Amino acid sequence: GAGVSQSPSNKVTEKGKDVELRCDPISGHTALYWYRQRLGQGLEFLIYFQGNSAPDKSGLPSDRFSAERTGESVSTLTIQRTQQEDSAVYLCASSFYSGTAGNTIYFGEGSWLTVV
Amino acid sequence: KQEVTQIPAALSVPEGENLVLNCSFTDSAIYNLQWFRQDPGKGLTSLLLIQSSQREQTSGRLNASLDKSSGRSTLYIAASQPGDSATYLCAVRGNTGFQKLVFGTGTRLLVSP
Repeated sequence: GAGVSQSPSNKVTEKGKDVELRCDPISGHTALYWYRQRLGQGLEFLIYFQGNSAPDKSGLPSDRFSAERTGESVSTLTIQRTQQEDSAVYLCASSFYSGTAGNTIYFGEGSWLTVV
Repeated sequence: KQEVTQIPAALSVPEGENLVLNCSFTDSAIYNLQWFRQDPGKGLTSLLLIQSSQREQTSGRLNASLDKSSGRSTLYIAASQPGDSATYLCAVRGNTGFQKLVFGTGTRLLVSP
């Protein structure tokens, strides 16, 4: 597609339920990132995928969070047993990867999650 | 651990003023630095990307500079307009290990007509 696409754009869920967020990166982009932004705060790195390499999961806040990516395409971020502190906008981004890390990163519009 | 700081946190100026936003980072071992804008309720839009070997990049009324050795970058906005009102974020990408971006907390800019 023309840009990074995320769905759903908005999600309200009850505490304790599981949620799944989807990201479609720009076609041909091998690098994919997930970030979280709580209201009024900065962006927190969650996870990074690069091709078939093992992902960098160092930013996942707890074992309730997991993410998968199928090859160099769609990624899903899953939050199990949601808590109110999980309420945030979850941003996905993608870029080319040339080995020199000189490439612009493009963000989607985000998935706004509210846990009630 | 890389830390990125942006000053000021908020800025309000009348239309037409030139302004400078500041970004500092603690680890100079970076591949590049990228400036973004974020409009309320929206994702991030990339403005400028500066490679570690570059000193500045320009796009229209925007000019970004990079002094890697001192861990600083500035975003200069000339002849500001109300449409420039947004939050501006800088992010640095390290040159070791995985290449995640580390973001600053942003500068919230309001340009009044």
